[in-house]
Amino acid sequence: GAGVSQSPSNKVTEKGKDVELRCDPISGHTALYWYRQSLGQGLEFLIYFQGNSAPDKSGLPSDRFSAERTGGSVSTLTIQRTQQEDSAVYLCASSLVSWNTEAFFGQGTRLTVV
Amino acid sequence: KNEVEQSPQNLTAQEGEFITINCSYSVGISALHWLQQHPGGGIVSLFMLSSGKKKHGRLIATINIQEKHSSLHITASHPRDSAVYICAVRSFGNEKLTFGTGTRLTIIP
Repeated sequence: GAGVSQSPSNKVTEKGKDVELRCDPISGHTALYWYRQSLGQGLEFLIYFQGNSAPDKSGLPSDRFSAERTGGSVSTLTIQRTQQEDSAVYLCASSLVSWNTEAFFGQGTRLTVV
Repeated sequence: KNEVEQSPQNLTAQEGEFITINCSYSVGISALHWLQQHPGGGIVSLFMLSSGKKKHGRLIATINIQEKHSSLHITASHPRDSAVYICAVRSFGNEKLTFGTGTRLTIIP
Protein backbone atom coordinates (compact mmCIF):
# COMPACT_ATOMS: atom_id res chain seq x y z
CA GLY A 1 0.00 0.00 0.00
CA ALA A 2 0.89 3.66 -0.17
CA GLY A 3 1.50 4.00 3.54
CA VAL A 4 1.20 2.23 6.86
CA SER A 5 -2.43 1.44 7.49
CA GLN A 6 -3.92 0.77 10.92
CA SER A 7 -7.36 -0.39 11.85
CA PRO A 8 -9.60 0.39 13.50
CA SER A 9 -8.86 4.09 13.83
CA ASN A 10 -10.91 4.24 17.02
CA LYS A 11 -11.97 1.50 19.40
CA VAL A 12 -14.06 1.77 22.54
CA THR A 13 -14.22 -1.38 24.60
CA GLU A 14 -15.46 -2.43 27.99
CA LYS A 15 -12.99 -3.26 30.71
CA GLY A 16 -12.17 -6.95 30.67
CA LYS A 17 -12.80 -7.49 26.97
CA ASP A 18 -10.10 -8.49 24.49
CA VAL A 19 -9.15 -6.26 21.57
CA GLU A 20 -7.16 -6.75 18.38
CA LEU A 21 -5.41 -3.93 16.63
CA ARG A 22 -4.16 -4.35 13.09
CA CYS A 23 -1.21 -2.87 11.23
CA ASP A 24 -0.58 -3.20 7.53
CA PRO A 25 2.95 -1.95 6.82
CA ILE A 26 4.33 -0.60 3.59
CA SER A 27 4.88 -3.43 1.15
CA GLY A 28 8.43 -4.73 1.32
CA HIS A 29 9.22 -3.26 4.72
CA THR A 30 10.78 -5.95 6.86
CA ALA A 31 10.89 -4.03 10.13
CA LEU A 32 7.67 -3.28 12.02
CA TYR A 33 7.25 -1.55 15.36
CA TRP A 34 4.41 -1.03 17.77
CA TYR A 35 4.39 2.00 20.07
CA ARG A 36 1.78 3.53 22.31
CA GLN A 37 1.11 7.05 23.45
CA SER A 38 -0.94 7.50 26.58
CA LEU A 39 -2.73 10.78 27.20
CA GLY A 40 -0.19 13.47 27.99
CA GLN A 41 2.68 10.99 27.80
CA GLY A 42 5.46 10.44 25.33
CA LEU A 43 5.77 7.57 22.91
CA GLU A 44 6.56 4.21 24.46
CA PHE A 45 8.08 1.27 22.62
CA LEU A 46 6.14 -2.00 22.77
CA ILE A 47 7.58 -4.53 20.32
CA TYR A 48 9.72 -4.85 17.22
CA PHE A 49 9.41 -7.37 14.40
CA GLN A 50 12.02 -8.24 11.83
CA GLY A 51 10.16 -10.33 9.31
CA ASN A 52 7.88 -12.62 11.29
CA SER A 53 10.08 -12.87 14.36
CA ALA A 54 10.06 -10.52 17.31
CA PRO A 55 13.61 -10.12 18.58
CA ASP A 56 12.58 -7.41 21.01
CA LYS A 57 9.41 -7.70 23.07
CA SER A 58 10.83 -5.81 25.99
CA GLY A 59 8.28 -3.02 25.86
CA LEU A 60 5.16 -5.13 26.26
CA PRO A 61 3.78 -3.92 29.61
CA SER A 62 2.26 -7.20 30.76
CA ASP A 63 1.43 -10.72 29.66
CA ARG A 64 -1.99 -9.45 28.60
CA PHE A 65 -0.26 -7.92 25.59
CA SER A 66 0.85 -10.03 22.65
CA ALA A 67 1.61 -9.43 19.00
CA GLU A 68 2.19 -11.51 15.94
CA ARG A 69 3.17 -10.91 12.38
CA THR A 70 2.38 -13.27 9.57
CA GLY A 71 3.85 -13.51 6.09
CA GLY A 72 6.31 -10.76 6.94
CA SER A 73 3.49 -8.29 6.46
CA VAL A 74 0.38 -7.65 8.57
CA SER A 75 0.77 -7.49 12.32
CA THR A 76 -1.84 -7.82 15.03
CA LEU A 77 -1.48 -6.47 18.55
CA THR A 78 -3.80 -8.21 20.99
CA ILE A 79 -4.68 -6.93 24.42
CA GLN A 80 -6.51 -9.41 26.63
CA ARG A 81 -8.73 -8.48 29.57
CA THR A 82 -8.33 -4.78 28.86
CA GLN A 83 -7.87 -2.35 31.72
CA GLN A 84 -8.51 1.36 31.82
CA GLU A 85 -4.79 2.08 31.89
CA ASP A 86 -4.56 0.46 28.46
CA SER A 87 -6.37 3.46 27.01
CA ALA A 88 -3.91 5.10 24.59
CA VAL A 89 -3.13 5.66 20.95
CA TYR A 90 -1.39 2.61 19.56
CA LEU A 91 0.95 3.47 16.71
CA CYS A 92 2.55 1.16 14.20
CA ALA A 93 5.61 2.04 12.14
CA SER A 94 7.55 0.23 9.47
CA SER A 95 10.90 0.68 7.79
CA LEU A 96 12.67 -1.03 4.96
CA VAL A 97 15.25 -2.76 7.14
CA SER A 98 15.55 -1.18 10.57
CA TRP A 99 15.60 2.15 12.32
CA ASN A 100 18.73 3.02 10.39
CA THR A 101 16.43 3.46 7.44
CA GLU A 102 13.59 5.96 7.32
CA ALA A 103 10.54 5.04 9.37
CA PHE A 104 6.93 5.51 8.34
CA PHE A 105 4.13 5.72 10.87
CA GLY A 106 0.50 4.78 10.65
CA GLN A 107 -2.25 7.11 11.88
CA GLY A 108 -2.72 5.06 15.00
CA THR A 109 -5.61 3.34 16.76
CA ARG A 110 -7.16 5.29 19.62
CA LEU A 111 -8.21 2.75 22.23
CA THR A 112 -10.56 3.75 25.00
CA VAL A 113 -11.35 1.28 27.74
CA VAL A 114 -14.49 2.18 29.69
CA LYS B 1 16.67 11.82 34.45
CA ASN B 2 15.18 10.81 31.10
CA GLU B 3 17.55 9.37 28.52
CA VAL B 4 16.26 11.91 26.00
CA GLU B 5 15.44 15.45 27.00
CA GLN B 6 13.98 18.14 24.80
CA SER B 7 13.74 21.86 25.24
CA PRO B 8 11.69 23.88 25.25
CA GLN B 9 8.56 21.89 26.10
CA ASN B 10 6.38 24.58 24.54
CA LEU B 11 7.28 27.27 22.06
CA THR B 12 5.09 29.98 20.59
CA ALA B 13 6.49 32.23 17.87
CA GLN B 14 5.38 34.65 15.21
CA GLU B 15 5.20 33.62 11.60
CA GLY B 16 8.56 34.11 9.92
CA GLU B 17 10.68 33.60 13.02
CA PHE B 18 13.65 31.25 13.10
CA ILE B 19 12.89 28.29 15.38
CA THR B 20 15.31 26.09 17.30
CA ILE B 21 14.35 22.96 19.21
CA ASN B 22 16.99 21.16 21.22
CA CYS B 23 17.50 17.51 22.12
CA SER B 24 20.05 16.11 24.57
CA TYR B 25 20.60 12.44 25.26
CA SER B 26 22.65 10.51 27.75
CA VAL B 27 23.43 7.22 25.99
CA GLY B 28 25.63 6.23 23.08
CA ILE B 29 23.53 6.18 19.96
CA SER B 30 23.68 4.82 16.46
CA ALA B 31 21.01 7.16 15.11
CA LEU B 32 18.78 10.06 16.11
CA HIS B 33 15.39 10.78 14.59
CA TRP B 34 13.32 13.93 14.47
CA LEU B 35 9.59 13.30 14.14
CA GLN B 36 6.64 15.63 13.63
CA GLN B 37 3.24 14.88 15.13
CA HIS B 38 0.27 16.94 14.02
CA PRO B 39 -2.99 17.32 15.95
CA GLY B 40 -4.93 14.13 15.31
CA GLY B 41 -1.84 12.07 16.02
CA GLY B 42 -0.26 11.40 12.62
CA ILE B 43 3.52 11.12 12.88
CA VAL B 44 5.93 11.93 10.10
CA SER B 45 9.63 11.17 10.15
CA LEU B 46 11.55 14.36 9.33
CA PHE B 47 15.18 13.33 9.66
CA MET B 48 17.41 10.48 10.65
CA LEU B 49 20.93 11.53 11.67
CA SER B 50 24.05 9.79 12.79
CA SER B 51 26.44 12.70 12.23
CA GLY B 52 26.66 16.20 10.85
CA LYS B 53 23.79 18.07 9.36
CA LYS B 54 20.81 17.47 7.09
CA LYS B 55 18.55 19.95 5.33
CA HIS B 56 15.13 19.49 3.81
CA GLY B 57 13.36 22.60 2.61
CA ARG B 58 13.06 24.98 5.55
CA LEU B 59 14.08 22.33 8.05
CA ILE B 60 17.64 21.77 9.20
CA ALA B 61 18.81 19.14 11.68
CA THR B 62 22.23 19.00 13.25
CA ILE B 63 23.86 16.58 15.63
CA ASN B 64 27.00 16.73 17.76
CA ILE B 65 27.86 13.19 18.78
CA GLN B 66 30.59 14.22 21.24
CA GLU B 67 28.25 16.58 23.08
CA LYS B 68 25.26 14.20 22.75
CA HIS B 69 23.12 17.01 21.40
CA SER B 70 20.95 17.65 18.38
CA SER B 71 19.01 20.66 17.18
CA LEU B 72 16.11 21.04 14.79
CA HIS B 73 15.83 24.42 13.09
CA ILE B 74 12.93 25.83 11.11
CA THR B 75 13.59 28.86 8.95
CA ALA B 76 10.83 31.29 7.92
CA SER B 77 8.33 29.53 10.18
CA HIS B 78 4.72 29.20 9.06
CA PRO B 79 1.50 28.38 10.91
CA ARG B 80 1.43 25.00 9.18
CA ASP B 81 4.64 24.16 11.06
CA SER B 82 2.57 24.09 14.26
CA ALA B 83 2.93 20.58 15.63
CA VAL B 84 4.71 18.54 18.28
CA TYR B 85 8.31 17.80 17.37
CA ILE B 86 9.78 14.67 18.89
CA CYS B 87 13.39 13.61 19.19
CA ALA B 88 14.11 9.88 19.38
CA VAL B 89 17.36 7.96 19.69
CA ARG B 90 18.42 4.45 18.83
CA SER B 91 21.06 3.02 21.15
CA PHE B 92 23.84 0.79 19.89
CA GLY B 93 22.76 -2.83 19.52
CA ASN B 94 19.15 -1.95 20.13
CA GLU B 95 16.35 -1.63 17.60
CA LYS B 96 13.89 0.26 19.73
CA LEU B 97 13.68 4.03 19.87
CA THR B 98 13.67 6.02 23.08
CA PHE B 99 11.62 9.16 22.72
CA GLY B 100 11.79 12.61 24.18
CA THR B 101 8.55 14.07 25.50
CA GLY B 102 8.25 16.42 22.57
CA THR B 103 8.18 20.16 21.94
CA ARG B 104 4.82 21.71 21.16
CA LEU B 105 5.38 24.46 18.58
CA THR B 106 2.73 27.04 17.80
CA ILE B 107 3.31 29.55 15.03
CA ILE B 108 1.02 32.57 15.14
CA PRO B 109 0.12 34.27 11.87
